[in-house]
Amino acid sequence: NAGVMQNPRHLVRRRGQEARLRCSPMKGHSHVYWYRQLPEEGLKFMVYLQKENIIDESGMPKERFSAEFPKEGPSILRIQQVVRGDSAAYFCASSPTGGATGANVLTFGAGSRLTVL
Amino acid sequence: GQSLEQPSEVTAVEGAIVQINCTYQTSGFYGLSWYQQHDGGAPTFLSYNALDGLEETGRFSSFLSRSDSYGYLLLQELQMKDSASYFCAALFQKLVFGTGTRLLVSP
Repeated sequence: NAGVMQNPRHLVRRRGQEARLRCSPMKGHSHVYWYRQLPEEGLKFMVYLQKENIIDESGMPKERFSAEFPKEGPSILRIQQVVRGDSAAYFCASSPTGGATGANVLTFGAGSRLTVL
Repeated sequence: GQSLEQPSEVTAVEGAIVQINCTYQTSGFYGLSWYQQHDGGAPTFLSYNALDGLEETGRFSSFLSRSDSYGYLLLQELQMKDSASYFCAALFQKLVFGTGTRLLVSP
């Protein structure tokens, strides 16, 4: 029973390039959350998705960042025209349901570490 | 806004008991969770308080008092492997994490 799978684990991009981070939730989980973590800092919420729906994107920067969770396939966090400040660890988490009975226990993936040169 | 404050670092010795506090300035959340994260690793769930009071899970216990806007994680019989960062998190539709506490356990 595989956990939350994220790939790539490490990604290096030059300024101006695009980064695509993938997340496959645990089997049976239909709720996906993305968090960003800078070195020595906490986890900052970015976006919460269900299949084919964005539920809460209040933590997403208004430009260059987008996320999707299609009916088939993994959730994708896309960062266009990356800048050095985008360098961080991006964690995906999943839960079987949302709200009080689902999101109280999130299962996290190992993270994708983006380095922008 | 939603903010949860924790001490930045706590040190203790093996076998000791340590308490990591979490004070918050937010309301309307379902409950308070605690997560552990080792360097370079993923956050892992430790405990959840939906109601005020103490929840015990092995060596770890967590406490919540909504009237005091305060919670804590209690770690007993500390082991070297407990050296990690610990985060409280308030549950709304999503989890909002605290600033994190780095725990250093020495022999």
